[in-house]
Parts: sequence; C-alpha cells; structure tokens
Amino acid sequence: AQKITQTQPGMFVQEKEAVTLDCTYDTSDPSYGLFWYKQPSSGEMIFLIYQGSYDQQNATEGRYSLNFQKARKSANLVISASQLGDSAMYFCAMREANTGGFKTIFGAGTRLFVKA
Amino acid sequence: SQTIHQWPATLVQPVGSPLSLECTVEGTSNPNLYWYRQAAGRGLQLLFYSVGIGQISSEVPQNLSASRPQDRQFILSSKKLLLSDSGFYLCAWSSIRAGLQETQYFGPGTRLLVL
Repeated sequence: AQKITQTQPGMFVQEKEAVTLDCTYDTSDPSYGLFWYKQPSSGEMIFLIYQGSYDQQNATEGRYSLNFQKARKSANLVISASQLGDSAMYFCAMREANTGGFKTIFGAGTRLFVKA
Repeated sequence: SQTIHQWPATLVQPVGSPLSLECTVEGTSNPNLYWYRQAAGRGLQLLFYSVGIGQISSEVPQNLSASRPQDRQFILSSKKLLLSDSGFYLCAWSSIRAGLQETQYFGPGTRLLVL
C-alpha cells in the first residue's frame, strides 16, 4: 500500500489566491514526522514545513501552513497569497520513528501552476 | 553555513558503462548522508544512507553501490549501467542527530541519461 498519497497530479491557482495541496499517509507507528518540499524546475528540493505526530498545533512557516488532521491521516499544505514563484512540484513526505529516523518516504508530488 | 555539492550536473552514458557520482558537504561535521533517485515525474526513492565513514545502508537492491571514503564525501557507483538507471540523482545531508524532525538538505542533483 502507498505510504504517502498525493491525489492531485496538477493544480492551477490564480496569483494572490490560496491553494491547498492534498496529502494522505498510512502508518501504524504512533511517532512520525511529516514534511513538505518544493522542487522548482531547476531540480533542487527545498524544505518548506514540518509537522510532528505529537504536535498539538498545526505548523506554520510564513505563507505555508500544514492542515494536520491526525484521525484522517491527512497533512495538507496550504499556500496563502500565491505568487508566480510558487509554481513548482510539491512533495509530501513522512519519516517514521520505527525506521530509526533515517528513511523518508516521498509521495509522487503535485505540480502547482500559478496563473498571473 | 553548510553547502552541498554534486557533480556532474548532467551525464549521458551508454548502457553497460560504469558510473561515479560524487557528493560533498561543507560546513558541517559527521553528517548523515543520503542518495535518492527520482524517476521522471515521480517522487524520490531512497537508495542509500550513511551515518559515518565506511557505514552504508542500502534500501533498494540493485546494480548501484555507495561509498563514503571521507566524512563529508559520498559516492554513488555502478559497474554496468542499465537503461532503468536513468533519472535524477539527489544527494542530501542531515544532522547526525537524525531525529524525526531533522531536516534533510538536498544538493542540486545530477541528471543521468543512459542510452
């Protein structure tokens, strides 16, 4: 079974509007971490935001926030006030404690297009 | 500040030829090092990780191997490339603490095309 599922291959958003990128995950480990990365066309992977499974509050980093719904096993990324530079691939990822903290599993990604 | 370098940036190799990709990290000591592969339009797949010199863990059995001859150097190799080895190879490092929250920082990647 897929550990990380990103159901949106591509998304369009108008500049200055908010957009939500979906991510669901599957784990039986009570201790895990969830990440979002951005990959521009240049190929580099840029860390955006982290959410721990025991964190009580949703993570926020500037225009990025993570809508963490533990019971639903979802960790959606919300980008507010989209900018043209936000156009990129976005990957959701998970790390489980029972793997020793080394193995990060990535989803297939969502390509975001920001329209002017 | 820490920086991570990969070379070459792009590589075109014939099937059956050897491969050597290099990754080096500056500005940190005793990092955990990782090799990932990204097939076209796909997510990242962890290939190898290393917690110290000479210590390599393999995640996916295949015709690739990794070595860590120095603390901040990580090398990905193959004796004979296959067509399926084509992809985007990313090296990453994280702090030795390697907890759940430890961020992995990625290099610029190497695009490999096997013909």
